[in-house]
Amino acid sequence: QKEVEQNSGPLSVPEGAIASLNCTYSDRGSQSFFWYRQYSGKSPELIMFIYSNGDKEDGRFTAQLNKASQYVSLLIRDSQPSDSATYLCAVSNQAGTALIFGKGTTLSVSS
Amino acid sequence: EPEVTQTPSHQVTQMGQEVILRCVPISNHLYFYWYRQILGQKVEFLVSFYNNEISEKSEIFDDQFSVERPDGSNFTLKIRSTKLEDSAMYFCASSVGTTPNEQFFGPGTRLTVL
Repeated sequence: QKEVEQNSGPLSVPEGAIASLNCTYSDRGSQSFFWYRQYSGKSPELIMFIYSNGDKEDGRFTAQLNKASQYVSLLIRDSQPSDSATYLCAVSNQAGTALIFGKGTTLSVSS
Repeated sequence: EPEVTQTPSHQVTQMGQEVILRCVPISNHLYFYWYRQILGQKVEFLVSFYNNEISEKSEIFDDQFSVERPDGSNFTLKIRSTKLEDSAMYFCASSVGTTPNEQFFGPGTRLTVL
């Protein structure tokens, strides 16, 4: 059974701080990794994806991938109250035909 | 900006009834997906669809479920005989390709089975 594990939180950070969200996955053959944001009662919104080891930056967001450790993370710099949401880690199956989601980490940014 | 749309936003049905959930994927996308999310739980993959065929399906996607692309724009999920445990948010998603398969989600249909 392919698994994606995330700490459910809540993770609480003050406004302006760096939020660090982590994810581990079980399928060594996975090639693509995604971070989605989900506000309560809404659908998942794609933030960014990564498929090479190392860091990938997009604005205030940085995704980090370590395939040897089967570990993906998302850093949010200068956190804002509007970043308060559940962050979902998703891992593609080897064929690229499905995403396996973690349960999500709830982030709360206080002003 | 193009987006995935879904109708209806909320569907209430009686146990044992058939329901059809509808989706219009992003127009240049070739791969289509259905996911569900039971309240308070994780998003679960149901099925993927490409070139008028199912590419992959999960254990959840049993004989009670079917998918169809009846025309050039719509993508539907049918549940033949709904059960109480089918109550969930159903999300449609689409992607251009599979590597990487950046999937964009629709707003969802909340299905309530009474």
